[in-house]
Amino acid sequence: GEDVEQSLFLSVREGDSSVINCTYTDSSSTYLYWYKQEPGAGLQLLTYIFSNMDMKQDQRLTVLLNKKDKHLSLRIADTQTGDSAIYFCAESTLGGTYKYIFGTGTRLKVLA
Amino acid sequence: EADIYQTPRYLVIGTGKKITLECSQTMGHDKMYWYQQDPGMELHLIHYSYGVNSTEKGDLSSESTVSRIRTEHFPLTLESARPSHTSQYLCASSRGGGEKNEQFFGPGTRLTVL
Repeated sequence: GEDVEQSLFLSVREGDSSVINCTYTDSSSTYLYWYKQEPGAGLQLLTYIFSNMDMKQDQRLTVLLNKKDKHLSLRIADTQTGDSAIYFCAESTLGGTYKYIFGTGTRLKVLA
Repeated sequence: EADIYQTPRYLVIGTGKKITLECSQTMGHDKMYWYQQDPGMELHLIHYSYGVNSTEKGDLSSESTVSRIRTEHFPLTLESARPSHTSQYLCASSRGGGEKNEQFFGPGTRLTVL
């Protein structure tokens, strides 16, 4: 079945760039997303990319999509302590079920 | 302001009690979802609904039940709570289709069953 995998932990120093990686198996994915979850809260959509795109930039966030390798990454430039959270990648397919498949989440810790 | 609400935010309850977790959204979304998440862990879809009177079980088996009598309301009920039900429950909604197909999440209910 469909699967989305992420590394569990990432630690970076404040001001450095963070790169969070994700691999997925469903080649029919239409949208790929990055969500952020702060402690005790729900998930908040950070950014998304349509499957016919290779890259999307939104302020400090850059999303790269390698469809051939089914690999998605999120780069956060100038990482701040407020970026410490769990980051989930997710995929969905338009039409049909509208369900998401979420990754396992990557816990980002930013060191001052 | 359009939003998605969950109550209660925190609930501590004894084994055997019946509980209902509330979820409401004011965005007019047809699609609604319940996820179960252990702290800091992955999300598991336990129920979803595509509209009024439509409910389906998700990928993770759950002893809970849901109902969708009104578009904006999607409550989740546990008839007899057990310690194994201790978890965080997240409700989400989406318009479905269209641009980006975004899911909007509520703040979650953290349930502890003693």
